Amino acid sequence: DIQMTQSPSTLSASVGDRVTITCRASQSINRWLAWLQQKPGKAPKLLIYRASNLQSGVPSRFSGSGSGTEFSLTISSLQPDDSATYYCQQHDNYPYTFGQGTKLEIK
Amino acid sequence: EVQLVESGGGLVQPGESLRLSCAATGFSFSSYEMNWVRQAPGKGLEWLSYISNIGDTIYYAASVKGRFTISRDNAKNSLYLQLNSLRAEDTAVYYCVRLNYDLLTLDYWGQGTLVTVSS
Repeated sequence: DIQMTQSPSTLSASVGDRVTITCRASQSINRWLAWLQQKPGKAPKLLIYRASNLQSGVPSRFSGSGSGTEFSLTISSLQPDDSATYYCQQHDNYPYTFGQGTKLEIK
Repeated sequence: EVQLVESGGGLVQPGESLRLSCAATGFSFSSYEMNWVRQAPGKGLEWLSYISNIGDTIYYAASVKGRFTISRDNAKNSLYLQLNSLRAEDTAVYYCVRLNYDLLTLDYWGQGTLVTVSS
């Protein structure tokens, strides 16, 4: 199975900050990587697929980059509503696997 | 509007069984491949199972293979997960998730149903 490792595990930043979360795959997944956002008590929501494609309706302050084994999610200007846990997920092949999550707190 | 609504969760004892259902509306269910994903309390996400749009291809995670069975009824726009020989470590919220065949990724998630395995 492909292992996904995210960093950091927790992150605290202020409104307006630029924030980056990284994700590493244990083997190349080309660009088959998604980023999900999950708020407490809610289902995950797809933000980005195929490494850099913004899902419909997702604010443009979210962006993704990377290929192979190294990926990143960037929020260009942090908003209060962005407080959540973020997961990367490889969709290269089954079993799909997820990173352990990054909890983003707004200062 | 795409909606996935899970049901069937509850409190069961170790070794017992449960059947989860997922009712799909707002899209052509029979055209889409579907998945189940779970999340233990306070933990991350774990993919469990996949089924093709007509049910002829099925995959399972190693952790549930032989105990869980995925199925679907396209006439009823419904997805199912039969959970047998339940263990305490199966306690989790279970999500029904659509695979988007254009994006080739999981796009819509249900709200989840909680399964608690405890004596």
